Amino acid sequence: AQTVTQSQPEMSVQEAETVTLSCTYDTSENNYYLFWYKQPPSRQMILVIRQEAYKQQNATENRFSVNFQKAAKSFSLKISDSQLGDTAMYFCAEGANSKLTFGKGITLSVRP
Amino acid sequence: NAGVTQTPKFRILKIGQSMTLQCTQDMNHNYMYWYRQDPGMGLKLIYYSVGAGITDKGEVPNGYNVSRSTTEDFPLRLELAAPSQTSVYFCASSYGAKPLGHSPLHFGNGTRLTVT
Repeated sequence: AQTVTQSQPEMSVQEAETVTLSCTYDTSENNYYLFWYKQPPSRQMILVIRQEAYKQQNATENRFSVNFQKAAKSFSLKISDSQLGDTAMYFCAEGANSKLTFGKGITLSVRP
Repeated sequence: NAGVTQTPKFRILKIGQSMTLQCTQDMNHNYMYWYRQDPGMGLKLIYYSVGAGITDKGEVPNGYNVSRSTTEDFPLRLELAAPSQTSVYFCASSYGAKPLGHSPLHFGNGTRLTVT
């Protein structure tokens, strides 16, 4: 069975600064993907970034990047130059076979 | 394209009532999912379907039923509503490839259900 753990329930960051959100996972699959989803107050689920497990290079999408440590089963999200619009809940997720398993989420607040 | 459409957006049910949450997608996706989101608990998979006529239980299927008679529609049925089913429900779909990341999930905007 897959499990995803986000141990920090809340974080806060000053606008324009950098913040890192932590995630660990456990899976018996060899071929899987990892994701970060953003959920703003509108409730919409938005894909932020994804990482293929068999790729060593860390994924980046503009201000968002990941630190993928496969041996440690760690998948953290770094947000650079934080903006007020980054205020949201962030979910880490692992996808193998046909299903996605989510962590409990972390609430990120960006302070002006 | 409308993407994934869920109706209704909000609903209040009395204990013991039944209802169907509707979900439809216009992207010709094979895979469809129902998740529930409880505060502090993330998203839990209720049921999923890898194609018309095929459904499988997820992590928390008790109290729910689904059907998949067409590619587009994947309704979720609550037969005897209980307060424990108060939650936000999300429908999602993907083209369908293994592992799942080859075709990420597209989510609907959710249904907030309250059972009192």
